[in-house]
Amino acid sequence: DAGITQSPRHKVTETGTPVTLRCHQTENHRYMYWYRQDPGHGLRLIHYSYGVKDTDKGEVSDGYSVSRSKTEDFLLTLESATSSQTSVYFCATTTGAGAGGTEAFFGQGTRLTVV
Amino acid sequence: AQKVTQAQTEISVVEKEDVTLDCVYETRDTTYYLFWYKQPPSGELVFLIRRNSFDEQNEISGRYSWNFQKSTSSFNFTITASQVVDSAVYFCALISGTYKYIFGTGTRLKVLA
Repeated sequence: DAGITQSPRHKVTETGTPVTLRCHQTENHRYMYWYRQDPGHGLRLIHYSYGVKDTDKGEVSDGYSVSRSKTEDFLLTLESATSSQTSVYFCATTTGAGAGGTEAFFGQGTRLTVV
Repeated sequence: AQKVTQAQTEISVVEKEDVTLDCVYETRDTTYYLFWYKQPPSGELVFLIRRNSFDEQNEISGRYSWNFQKSTSSFNFTITASQVVDSAVYFCALISGTYKYIFGTGTRLKVLA
């Protein structure tokens, strides 16, 4: 299995507080992604990274920021958490080989509750 | 813009029935990749298959088969003789151009004993 680790696995936080989720990989994969999973919406892309310090917005990026200072870590920050950001967050990585069309390896997910 | 549509929100079948999960995609790129993933009740995401836009051959793997048709922008997934262990949420995904890896909303499959 690919070494994709998310931390924390569960978190409860209060509205208005900043929250940072961490994705750590040991595979040296170039591409990393953050998704949120909500009932009826599937997996929605928040932000992604195509290299160190290279990031771009996904479909639902408002209220989120990311940073990638080294290959193995991709951080997702909720700048001021709101109840609408209660969700399960998944990190994924791909090698990007073959013009980018490789399978994605997923972390175990982080369940975030904003109260 | 890229888009993946899985119109079937939930499907229930009785064990041993065949079931087809639909996936329709949109992209302006000529080079793209399509995928199917399975998410069992335990929550992890499991890769099932990848297809590139230049390979329209159908694929069969055991009880699973996939039908890729560029003419209709579809990449459908059929499970033959379904089993209770097939109960899961199935996601179709697309990547092209900008390396945005886009997923559909998923289809929840319930296989009843």
